Amino acid sequence: KNEVEQSPQNLTAQEGEFITINCSYSVGISALHWLQQHPGGGIVSLFMLSSGKKKHGRLIATINIQEKHSSLHITASHPRDSAVYICAARYNTDKLIFGTGTRLQVFP
Amino acid sequence: DSGVTQTPKHLITATGQRVTLRCSPRSGDLSVYWYQQSLDQGLQFLIQYYNGEERAKGNILERFSAQQFPDLHSELNLSSLELGDSALYFCASSRHPSTDTQYFGPGTRLTVL
Repeated sequence: KNEVEQSPQNLTAQEGEFITINCSYSVGISALHWLQQHPGGGIVSLFMLSSGKKKHGRLIATINIQEKHSSLHITASHPRDSAVYICAARYNTDKLIFGTGTRLQVFP
Repeated sequence: DSGVTQTPKHLITATGQRVTLRCSPRSGDLSVYWYQQSLDQGLQFLIQYYNGEERAKGNILERFSAQQFPDLHSELNLSSLELGDSALYFCASSRHPSTDTQYFGPGTRLTVL
């Protein structure tokens, strides 16, 4: 049983749309990571957060500890944002438990 | 470019064989993590080292072993390979465990025939 659930699995958007990807985890965590995996396979770490909200360019990540839920938002989406977005929860140890990923395609 | 290097980029081998994957962390990073990404299991944490010592262990098979050397590079050894071991193997590094962002290497694609 995966302790990290992501939704949606697949997402299609038109350029310029606001995008939200959701991540839920089952028990208390020490941190939540958002990763981006490009079509070529490379993985980039986008955010690591344990509370509140973080912003980097057009990307915003939020976490609600009480509701055990995190969201990744992309404002003014662009075709280059097309990738798989993965959330990962870090529990008491340093190991990460990964969600199954959200495949995003942004069309011009 | 994350600063984490992995070699080789691709590896094709046969069942029963043994291979070694190598990872060099970013300059100054003391922690190294190994992950496996397969089509059916997604990304899974294998093992973590911090300054030469094993720190956390995940879903790593007994046929697999790893170590971190004094110069902080790490190697993942996979033996008695099976078809199901075909996957992308990622290494990541961070300055300190727990509190820092992990930087991922480009991965090694292993194909077992």
